[in-house]
Amino acid sequence: EAQVTQNPRYLITVTGKKLTVTCSQNMNHEYMSWYRQDPGLGLRQIYYSMNVEVTDKGDVPEGYKVSRKEKRNFPLILESPSPNQTSLYFCASSLWARGTGELFFGEGSRLTVL
Amino acid sequence: TQLLEQSPQFLSIQEGENLTVYCNSSSVFSSLQWYRQEPGEGPVLLVTVVTGGEVKKLKRLTFQFGDARKDSSLHITAAQPGDTGLYLCAGTDGSGNTGKLIFGQGTTLQVKP
Repeated sequence: EAQVTQNPRYLITVTGKKLTVTCSQNMNHEYMSWYRQDPGLGLRQIYYSMNVEVTDKGDVPEGYKVSRKEKRNFPLILESPSPNQTSLYFCASSLWARGTGELFFGEGSRLTVL
Repeated sequence: TQLLEQSPQFLSIQEGENLTVYCNSSSVFSSLQWYRQEPGEGPVLLVTVVTGGEVKKLKRLTFQFGDARKDSSLHITAAQPGDTGLYLCAGTDGSGNTGKLIFGQGTTLQVKP
């Protein structure tokens, strides 16, 4: 089954404790992206990648890191999480390198930073 | 920074009513997509519009892309409770050469039986 898989789905952590949210897609998609969703703000792009070893900042990259060492994986790293990073995070992938095709989303990862 | 403004943000209607959701910007987009999201799930693509003035229909849903490619609308005819959800518009920048996809704030639709 074609899918985007995120882990963990739910996480409660404390300020400053490094964490990684994994994202994997099995559709051989070129493009992958991370978004955060907050009430009233829609989806805001954190980082995106148009190819292996190519990553670019979205609109809200501060406090996050990403890497794209393999085509299928695009982990989101929070080196020192803060309460303002409490949010619902979505990973998405698209066949087209510029992300202009259909975006396939994971089921989301709800993160709470205390 | 390109922005997409959706309106209304919340809409609660009775089954059988019609409704329109708007997605507006001062910027030109090379394409615009509409997604629907249900609680606990990621958004799912409904349609992509590319050409200015384009109209696409998906059963009771009609999508339109403005002539200048700065705005779009979603019209639902005879809404049903199954249409309940969060509707999001998303646009790629005018050049289409970057991977940045801009989302509107979303419209939460509740259709009461």
